[in-house]
Formats: sequence, C-alpha cells, structure tokens
Amino acid sequence: EDQVTQSPEALRLQEGESSSLNCSYTVSGLRGLFWYRQDPGKGPEFLFTLYSAGEEKEKERLKATLTKKESFLHITAPKPEDSATYLCAVQAGGTALIFGKGTTLSVSS
Amino acid sequence: KAGVTQTPRYLIKTRGQQVTLSCSPISGHRSVSWYQQTPGQGLQFLFEYFSETQRNKGNFPGRFSGRQFSNSRSEMNVSTLELGDSALYLCASSSPVRGTEAFFGQGTRLTVV
Repeated sequence: EDQVTQSPEALRLQEGESSSLNCSYTVSGLRGLFWYRQDPGKGPEFLFTLYSAGEEKEKERLKATLTKKESFLHITAPKPEDSATYLCAVQAGGTALIFGKGTTLSVSS
Repeated sequence: KAGVTQTPRYLIKTRGQQVTLSCSPISGHRSVSWYQQTPGQGLQFLFEYFSETQRNKGNFPGRFSGRQFSNSRSEMNVSTLELGDSALYLCASSSPVRGTEAFFGQGTRLTVV
C-alpha cells in the first residue's frame, strides 16, 4: 500500500535556526513528490515538485531534496513568516495525491 | 491568472441534509480533484474528473459524488450528511498530465450539526 510519513509532527525553531523536515514514502512507481505549505484555514500552496532521486529544488529559504525512499525540506535561517504546516504528497500509478499528515512549523523571533 | 475558486467558503448543515460545493479551476486546466481534510485523517482523495468523466475515485461511500461540466467547473455533492462529514473540502486543478503539480483552492469549511 502506498504510504507517506512525515516527521516530526511539530517543530519549534528560533528565528535563524536552520532545520530539516522529513518525508519518507513507500510507493510503487513514483511519478512525482510534491511539497506544499498550508496556513491555517487556507488551501495548500504549491512549493516544489521532485521527480527522481538526486533532484534538488530551491526557493528563497527552502530547499527540497529527494532520495529513493525519502525527501527532505531544508529551511535555512527561518523567519516567523515561515510558520505554517508543510505537507508532503506523492503521486504513483494513478492521479491521486497521497498526503502525509504534515509538519507544523513554528518560528519565533 | 486567477487561481482555483471554491464556493461557498463556509457552510453549516444539519444531519441528514445534502450539500453541493462548487469549484472553478484555473483557466486551461481540465483536471479537477477533490480532497477532504480533517484533523485526524489529514488530506484524503475523494475523486478526480477530467473532460466531464470521473477518472479516479478514492475510498469514500457513495454518498459522496461529483460531476464536471464542459467548462471544466466541478461540483461535489454529499447526501445524507453525517456529523463525521464535517471537514475542509478542497478542490485542486491541474494539467491532465500525470506527475504535474496540483493547485488548490481555499476550500469550503463544512460543519454538520
């Protein structure tokens, strides 16, 4: 069964304190791995798509990487506005996205 | 470029009633998917429509149904509402090519009392 697990469930950082979020997955035939950011009461906002092991993508303070079993979202020198829930999702044989439960990040100044 | 638009944003319904939610995808996107988000289960796939046809379906009871119109707008219907149907219902639109990213609307918050 296709499965996505994110860790930790919650993460509290001080402003400027870099860290990484983990997304491990088991799927048959990965077509894409997606990272989203979700603010309370809003829909998920697309961040990155990764397709193959070794691929990396960056956007401002965020960098996503992919291996054959997991993906990492690295946050460098975070700011309070980076506080949100970060969701990881995979797409395998079908068109449905299979989501992890998310990591809720809180950054304090 | 306008994003995905969902209406209404909030709904309160009584058990046993039915409800219809609406989604207008990004212009040019012909694939529309629906997801249910709850604190306990997270985001779960309901179904996907492409060119007015249901292309994929998640593991939800038949009370959950949908349709897509020729202009790619989609509606989702839930009949005989139960308390457990209270959730954020999200619509996402994407290119029909597998492996491309989906863009989500702001969601409809449904509360069943």
